[in-house]
Amino acid sequence: DIQMTQSPSSLSASLGDSVTITCRATQGISNFLAWYQQKPGRVPKLLIYAASTLQSGVPSRFSGSGSGTDFTLTISSLQPEDVATYYCQKYNSAPLTFGGGTKVEIK
Amino acid sequence: EVQLVQSGAEVKKPGESLRISCKASGYTFTSYWITWVRQMPGKGLEWMGRIDPSDSYINYGPSFQGHVTISVDKSISTAYLQWSSLKASDTATYYCMRHFEASGYFDYWGQGSLVTVSS
Repeated sequence: DIQMTQSPSSLSASLGDSVTITCRATQGISNFLAWYQQKPGRVPKLLIYAASTLQSGVPSRFSGSGSGTDFTLTISSLQPEDVATYYCQKYNSAPLTFGGGTKVEIK
Repeated sequence: EVQLVQSGAEVKKPGESLRISCKASGYTFTSYWITWVRQMPGKGLEWMGRIDPSDSYINYGPSFQGHVTISVDKSISTAYLQWSSLKASDTATYYCMRHFEASGYFDYWGQGSLVTVSS
């Protein structure tokens, strides 16, 4: 089975900073990659699908890129409401594995 | 409005059985797959398995095959996740979500069902 590895596992950045999270697959998955945001105590929410397509209603400071095995999620200007754990997920074939998550905090 | 409404929190003892539910509304139930995901306390998301409500075809995640059963009742647009014998390690929040294709991303999520297994 394909494994998904996220890095870093946590990060702390200042308001307004650009933040980048990386997700790597052990085999190529084309662009079948989604990103989710889970705020503390809340249900996860879809941010990006097809590696780079922003879900409706998601702020434009979020962007995704990548194809094959290497993907990134970027928050261009970190806001207080972005404090959350972010997960990547592959969906090209079962099992639809998640990455381990990246916890984003404000410095 | 698309909604996935899950059953409420449960407190069970080890060895007991349990079935939790996920009722869909606002869309054609048989047109979207349903996936179940586990989130243990303070941990990440684990994909448990998916079901196609149109024909009840199921895939289970490797860690969950044989430990849980996923099913649907099309007549009431409801998906289920059940255990025949709970363990303390089943303590977690369980989410259902829908996806358009077998290989799809999850656009709508249920609110989660907290299951606590303790003697």
